[in-house]
Amino acid sequence: EVHLVESGGGLVQPGGSLRLSCAASGFTFGSFGMNWVRQAPGKGLEWVSVVSGSGVTTFYADSVKSRFTISRDNSKNTVYLQMNSLRAEDTAVYYCAKDQARGGNSNFDSWGQGTLVTVSS
Amino acid sequence: IVMTQSPDSLAVSLGERATINCKSSLNVLHSSNNKNYLAWYQQKPGQPPKLLIYWASTRESGVPDRFSGSGSGTDFTLTINSLQAEDVAVYYCHQYYDTPYTFGPGTKLEIK
Repeated sequence: EVHLVESGGGLVQPGGSLRLSCAASGFTFGSFGMNWVRQAPGKGLEWVSVVSGSGVTTFYADSVKSRFTISRDNSKNTVYLQMNSLRAEDTAVYYCAKDQARGGNSNFDSWGQGTLVTVSS
Repeated sequence: IVMTQSPDSLAVSLGERATINCKSSLNVLHSSNNKNYLAWYQQKPGQPPKLLIYWASTRESGVPDRFSGSGSGTDFTLTINSLQAEDVAVYYCHQYYDTPYTFGPGTKLEIK
């Protein structure tokens, strides 16, 4: 059974940084792309970023480009999201989500429970 | 690619049919494999989204067969037959044809 567990969320001041982690189990981690998707309080879903199974290829939403960096450590079955220059509008629950298909351009078949990031002074 | 959904909210009686529409601003049908890069998710309060449908019409394993997806190109529909109380949720469509991937704004489904 696929299991995704996010951690690293919390309260941070505007302009600050935070690193989220997502520990994965139950599948061949390095074979699948991994995503971060966020949801502001009471709002809809916003895709944030994806990293390929190898870690070589990454894509970002325009709203986070140049501020956020996605990476992965396949030896630890973990994907990360480094978030810098945080803004109030980055406040959200951040979910990690697994690609269903190998090779990119996939829907997401498994989601973690999410970790809350609050950006406030 | 901008995704829109209609209606914003929907109230349906138990046992009746619910229909949710999704429209993409660009064609999400890939000519190389004739697949529509469109998925549907269900999200209940306090829970992460759950995959229901992918490739526009393929039901995820374990999803009840009262859920079905249809459509192609830019216009898609999620149909829930014989509505059950546990189907109360927000439903999102999602295009994965191209990055940035995008979601529809969601449709809130309630019991009438």
